[in-house]
Amino acid sequence: QKEVEQNSGPLSVPEGAIASLNCTYSDRGSQSFFWYRQYSGKSPELIMSIYSNGDKEDGRFTAQLNKASQYVSLLIRDSQPSDSATYLCAVKGNNRLAFGKGNQVVVIP
Amino acid sequence: NAGVTQTPKFRILKIGQSMTLQCTQDMNHNYMYWYRQDPGMGLKLIYYSVGAGITDKGEVPNGYNVSRSTTEDFPLRLELAAPSQTSVYFCASSYSSQGGSNQPQHFGDGTRLSIL
Repeated sequence: QKEVEQNSGPLSVPEGAIASLNCTYSDRGSQSFFWYRQYSGKSPELIMSIYSNGDKEDGRFTAQLNKASQYVSLLIRDSQPSDSATYLCAVKGNNRLAFGKGNQVVVIP
Repeated sequence: NAGVTQTPKFRILKIGQSMTLQCTQDMNHNYMYWYRQDPGMGLKLIYYSVGAGITDKGEVPNGYNVSRSTTEDFPLRLELAAPSQTSVYFCASSYSSQGGSNQPQHFGDGTRLSIL
């Protein structure tokens, strides 16, 4: 089992809709979880961090963490064309981050 | 505030050549990391450092070396370049304290390296 899995293929959403991304992780002892956005040809930039079970909202973004089920998700409300990017889930453990391979989101105007 | 600075931004190497990718950060972060990202893939950790004088291997260390003589600098060395090392290389840094929460990583702009 990979440390961090993001299995969904490219996600196409109409402008204004909700984009939902999921991520599962294998290390039950992980305590820190992050979502990064990466535009094509650019470096990853942090958009959300979450450390405890439940929801965390920041603007149009909501991160959800369920440690018992070992998954973390990201919701993007009122999706905009500028949200078109690859979203990387990252989980912290043993001094380093493990990254999923990312989910591409395409927002269709 | 410069953050994490990587040089060069682009480089083409011939097989067997060597080079050093430079990374420096001005945020006084204790942790630094080197990743590679192949097309359509996530980030794979090459090496990391938890402080000056301390380095450790990540997932894909073969063919690379690092050093951490200062808090600010974390260069990555390729000794004998191979086509399989063609990739985009990202340096990142973060601050972690004993017993404290783990702060997120900040990334440099990347170095695009081609081995021909």
